[in-house]
Amino acid sequence: NAGVTQTPKFQVLKTGQSMTLQCAQDMNHNSMYWYRQDPGMGLRLIYYSASEGTTDKGEVPNGYNVSRLNKREFSLRLESAAPSQTSVYFCASSGAGGEQPQHFGDGTRLSIL
Amino acid sequence: TQLLEQSPQFLSIQEGENLTVYCNSSSVFSSLQWYRQEPGEGPVLLVTVVTGGEVKKLKRLTFQFGDARKDSSLHITAAQPGDTGLYLCAGAGGGGSQGNLIFGKGTKLSVKP
Repeated sequence: NAGVTQTPKFQVLKTGQSMTLQCAQDMNHNSMYWYRQDPGMGLRLIYYSASEGTTDKGEVPNGYNVSRLNKREFSLRLESAAPSQTSVYFCASSGAGGEQPQHFGDGTRLSIL
Repeated sequence: TQLLEQSPQFLSIQEGENLTVYCNSSSVFSSLQWYRQEPGEGPVLLVTVVTGGEVKKLKRLTFQFGDARKDSSLHITAAQPGDTGLYLCAGAGGGGSQGNLIFGKGTKLSVKP
């Protein structure tokens, strides 16, 4: 039982490049989330999807897009990467509603030069 | 606006010592969750407290939810090196949460042998 799987685990990009972070969960959860974690800033919500077919902005959505491909998968795309987007990105899922306990992946460490 | 304040931000202690970390807010939450995050991994749920005044124990960890449901504490008895990690509290149902969890910035605990 894998839980929440994120790929890739590490990535280095140049400014202006684009990439997509992938996330999949096998717990049949309705809700999925993308966070970024920066030193001294804690976990900040980028986007979330309360259910298949819906997505909403979180606290820091600028520079990102998301796709809820199906119930299992929720991807995060950086169209034109900037050094300010250097961070550790976490995907999470929860059963029914954003206030339920969340299950996190192990993160993607992204550096933008 | 930071709705959940955690203190202390950093804590370094010797094995066998006791410690308490705090999670405080001016908002009332319907429930509060505690997570532990180890280096290179995502946060893992430890406990959820729901009722004002509730106390939950998880081996050497004792969690308490304040009577007014605005604050919580985590007490660790006889800390072990394996307790090292980042402890995060997250509130549900508070002001500004928009149906999602509000995370504190965390307390980074280091337990030295």
